Amino acid sequence: DARVTQTPRHKVTEMGQEVTMRCQPILGHNTVFWYRQTMMQGLELLAYFRNRAPLDDSGMPKDRFSAEMPDATLATLKIQPSEPRDSAVYFCASGQGVDPGNTIYFGEGSWLTVV
Amino acid sequence: AQTVTQSQPEMSVQEAETVTLSCTYDTSESNYYLFWYKQPPSRQMILVIRQEAYKQQNATENRFSVNFQKAAKSFSLKISDSQLGDTAMYFCALYNAGNNRKLIWGLGTSLAVNP
Repeated sequence: DARVTQTPRHKVTEMGQEVTMRCQPILGHNTVFWYRQTMMQGLELLAYFRNRAPLDDSGMPKDRFSAEMPDATLATLKIQPSEPRDSAVYFCASGQGVDPGNTIYFGEGSWLTVV
Repeated sequence: AQTVTQSQPEMSVQEAETVTLSCTYDTSESNYYLFWYKQPPSRQMILVIRQEAYKQQNATENRFSVNFQKAAKSFSLKISDSQLGDTAMYFCALYNAGNNRKLIWGLGTSLAVNP
């Protein structure tokens, strides 16, 4: 059963520390999204990649966040330095970009708490 | 601007009854897709149903169906024979197939199915 895999599932870290979240998209999917979900803001798109190239990262605070796809099987989201306001659930999702309306599949999320 | 509005922050329904969640949207694109996603307490996002704008027929998936009113830009979700496992947040989302290819999300409706 193909699925998007995210690690870590839960992370508690101290303010100022670096946090790296990883995502393995479904094999064959060429579009990868990073979302952040909070109670106040709802679901926010941070970045998205197609064929490993970043297409849109306008939703991501550039001073502390970075997103990359070192290869087709791995996407990373890094926060350095982390702040308490970064506490949220971070979702990775993948899809097949040939059909623009194709379903995207979400991972189970990474719960981040910055204290 | 593209927007998605879910006007019901919370709803409840008795088990086995029918409930309808509302969603309105705004887009200037002619080619777009609409989705309903479910997010149970586990926080994983699960696709419930999708609708292509060019199709007049309303999409149906088992107990879930939509009422797609294109002229009114309305996309409501009907859940028949509600089950306790349907308790979740439900998100409506719009995907434009134009240059700005990303999902626009509503803020969600929290649905509680009561025994």
